[in-house]
Amino acid sequence: SQTIHQWPATLVQPVGSPLSLECTVEGTSNPNLYWYRQAAGRGLQLLFYSVGIGQISSEVPQNLSASRPQDRQFILSSKKLLLSDSGFYLCAWKIWGSTHGQFFGPGTRLTVL
Amino acid sequence: AQSVSQHNHHVILSEAASLELGCNYSYGGTVNLFWYVQYPGQHLQLLLKYFSGDPLVKGIKGFEAEFIKSKFSFNLRKPSVQWSDTAEYFCAVNENYGQNFVFGPGTRLSVLP
Repeated sequence: SQTIHQWPATLVQPVGSPLSLECTVEGTSNPNLYWYRQAAGRGLQLLFYSVGIGQISSEVPQNLSASRPQDRQFILSSKKLLLSDSGFYLCAWKIWGSTHGQFFGPGTRLTVL
Repeated sequence: AQSVSQHNHHVILSEAASLELGCNYSYGGTVNLFWYVQYPGQHLQLLLKYFSGDPLVKGIKGFEAEFIKSKFSFNLRKPSVQWSDTAEYFCAVNENYGQNFVFGPGTRLSVLP
């Protein structure tokens, strides 16, 4: 069966520090991968998605970037965190070309101080 | 750009009451529609989805949703809620099997025992 992992589960970082959040999927190949930020009362905001290794589409220009170095690995990064980057970050995957919805990871709670 | 609105930010019901959560989207083309649920402390998970065919779709745990194309709506219903339905509910739209998923802001449902 397929599983999705995210780490770390929680993270507290100072303003200006770098960020690296990792997401990995097991049990499937060539998934579509997504990064979302979830803010209270604002739902999920799609940040990036990827349909293959090295292919990244950005939905919202901001202080973050994403990379997909391997088929089932999706990384969210920042060179210098801002206070406004605080939030709950969710990774999701979908079977390429399928009509199923997305499967979500457990999320990472990021607090920037 | 697509947008998804959910009518209520927070709904409070007593057990056995009927539930209807509103969802409207803005895209005029072919869409795929989803309802996700996030129980306290758990991952987001798919409740039900609509791709084609019968506009009344049934999901897990007695939930159903009706796609009304003329109203750009996909409202979620349950005839009799239980305390265990307490959760946050998100409506989402996917444009014609594309990669982008747009989520609504969510509706928090509190069911009183």
